[in-house]
Amino acid sequence: AQRVTQPEKLLSVFKGAPVELKCNYSYSGSPELFWYVQYSRQRLQLLLRHISRESIKGFTADLNKGETSFHLKKPFAQEEDSAMYYCALSGSRDDKIIFGKGTRLHILP
Amino acid sequence: DADVTQTPRNRITKTGKRIMLECSQTKGHDRMYWYRQDPGLGLRLIYYSFDVKDINKGEISDGYSVSRQAQAKFSLSLESAIPNQTALYFCATSLTGSHGYTFGSGTRLTVV
Repeated sequence: AQRVTQPEKLLSVFKGAPVELKCNYSYSGSPELFWYVQYSRQRLQLLLRHISRESIKGFTADLNKGETSFHLKKPFAQEEDSAMYYCALSGSRDDKIIFGKGTRLHILP
Repeated sequence: DADVTQTPRNRITKTGKRIMLECSQTKGHDRMYWYRQDPGLGLRLIYYSFDVKDINKGEISDGYSVSRQAQAKFSLSLESAIPNQTALYFCATSLTGSHGYTFGSGTRLTVV
């Protein structure tokens, strides 16, 4: 079964410290992986896709097929990074996107 | 100019009432989706549509119905609202699943 697991509900990090938001997935095939971000009272926005190998707002994510992980990383946290982050998976079979339960990132001053 | 527009933005309704949430898009995407967001539960798929003649149930479709009136419009109805349908509802569109979604701003629904 398809599943996306984000083990941390809340992650608090000091400004300037490194950030890592964890995401593990379960899928019997080759999925597409995404990170979405939701700032306070705003719509969800696509942050990055593994297939495009982009770096957005200093964030990167590497797909590790051996560990079935897609952790989101940023070397130096900024206060404006405080938001809700969702890891998501799209399967090749049915093309729907399944979301994790989200991690709230709180950047401490 | 919003690509994906949801109306209303906020709604309070009484138990047992019928309510419709509307979504329209100018992206030209064939695929449209309805999700609900609840604290601690993330986003759960209610219904999705890959074109005007295609409607599919998601993981939590009970108590909901949808209508795809045109490529650009996808409405979600609660036939008889109940309090545990209080949530934030999002519409989304996509070109394909691998392109990711564009989300609307959401409708905050409260059933009292």
